Amino acid sequence: AQSVTQPDIHITVSEGASLELRCNYSYGATPYLFWYVQSPGQGLQLLLKYFSGDTLVQGIKGFEAEFKRSQSSFNLRKPSVHWSDAAEYFCAVGSGGGNKLTFGTGTQLKVEL
Amino acid sequence: DAEITQSPRHKITETGRQVTLACHQTWNHNNMFWYRQDLGHGLRLIHYSYGVHDTNKGEVSDGYSVSRSNTEDLPLTLESAASSQTSVYFCASRRGTSGDNEQFFGPGTRLTVL
Repeated sequence: AQSVTQPDIHITVSEGASLELRCNYSYGATPYLFWYVQSPGQGLQLLLKYFSGDTLVQGIKGFEAEFKRSQSSFNLRKPSVHWSDAAEYFCAVGSGGGNKLTFGTGTQLKVEL
Repeated sequence: DAEITQSPRHKITETGRQVTLACHQTWNHNNMFWYRQDLGHGLRLIHYSYGVHDTNKGEVSDGYSVSRSNTEDLPLTLESAASSQTSVYFCASRRGTSGDNEQFFGPGTRLTVL
């Protein structure tokens, strides 16, 4: 069965600093990978996705992620964090053509001004 | 604009009562999903549907049911609510099964079972 691990429950960074959120997955075939962001009291918004091709994926809000098959990882990065990036971030792996999603437990990001 | 809505946004109910949470999308998406979100677990799939009259069990389906009588709606029913079902419930939809289609999420329903 597929699974996703987000080893960091909470991360605090200063505004303007770089950010990397870790995601490791377990899946038997070529994975469909996603990063979602959830602001307090809101639903989930897709940041970026990987299905095939270039392993460095660009998303919205200045985020990017790199798929590394050898490490089973799909880490999310941003070069300079803004206070508005404070939210919870979820990594997910999709099966069934990417249709059924398995989520990690999330990483809560706090941004210090 | 097309959207996905959930109602109610908040609900308090008592143990043993039947509860139905509504999900409505105007994108005409074939695929719809119900998840629950709990601390330490992220989102877990409850039920999903690939089209009218199609329903499938997800990872945590016990105590829940869904029905799909049209494309737009996938109501989630808790047959006999339990305290363990206190959670935030999210509905999502997706156009098709091609890998390049994202799931769009509703705003969530916070359910408390006393």
